[in-house]
Amino acid sequence: SQQGEEDPQALSIQEGENATMNCSYKTSINNLQWYRQNSGRGLVHLILIRSNEREKHSGRLRVTLDTSKKSSSLLITASRAADTASYFCARGHNTNAGKSTFGDGTTLTVKP
Amino acid sequence: DTGVSQDPRHKITKRGQNVTFRCDPISEHNRLYWYRQTLGQGPEFLTYFQNEAQLEKSRLLSDRFSAERPKGSFSTLEIQRTEQGDSAMYLCASSSDRDETQYFGPGTRLLVL
Repeated sequence: SQQGEEDPQALSIQEGENATMNCSYKTSINNLQWYRQNSGRGLVHLILIRSNEREKHSGRLRVTLDTSKKSSSLLITASRAADTASYFCARGHNTNAGKSTFGDGTTLTVKP
Repeated sequence: DTGVSQDPRHKITKRGQNVTFRCDPISEHNRLYWYRQTLGQGPEFLTYFQNEAQLEKSRLLSDRFSAERPKGSFSTLEIQRTEQGDSAMYLCASSSDRDETQYFGPGTRLLVL
């Protein structure tokens, strides 16, 4: 793990159900980004949430940020088989505007 | 295609050889990042550039690794005297000052035999 954890490590749900993934971190951040990665492929950016924001939406995605608990969550509503992928959060550091620290991700499987 | 591109997409080399990877960021992005990812793990930060200046290097970046961005546009990552432990996916990302969103390229998968 790299200064934080995604939870759970793996999640398996049926199509149509909601999926919630959590991300915790230890040091102060200026932003937090969520990414999706299909097996063996590059990372696709989903949402960026800044430290002064509490919630952001994009389509079926909802991201929340609780800086007091140093945690964030990604909710995917009405999941589809195509949502099957690994999901990572990347923590943008306060002390270094360029660097982001990733966890080891949550592997989501959506069964048709 | 205006996304981040990386070349080559795959590289197989023998231990001890040198390899060089190239990354072309999104054209208006002044920040460029290199990450390394091994199977089952998240990307690990290696280094980043703001324009042509290399502003931070991870301790993961041993003396065998060097990155350049000579004109503030494309970047190269060179690994000298490759070791089997260097086998990984090498990812490049870029962003702008106005929007901290990092956009990733498809990666270069390196296999050291």
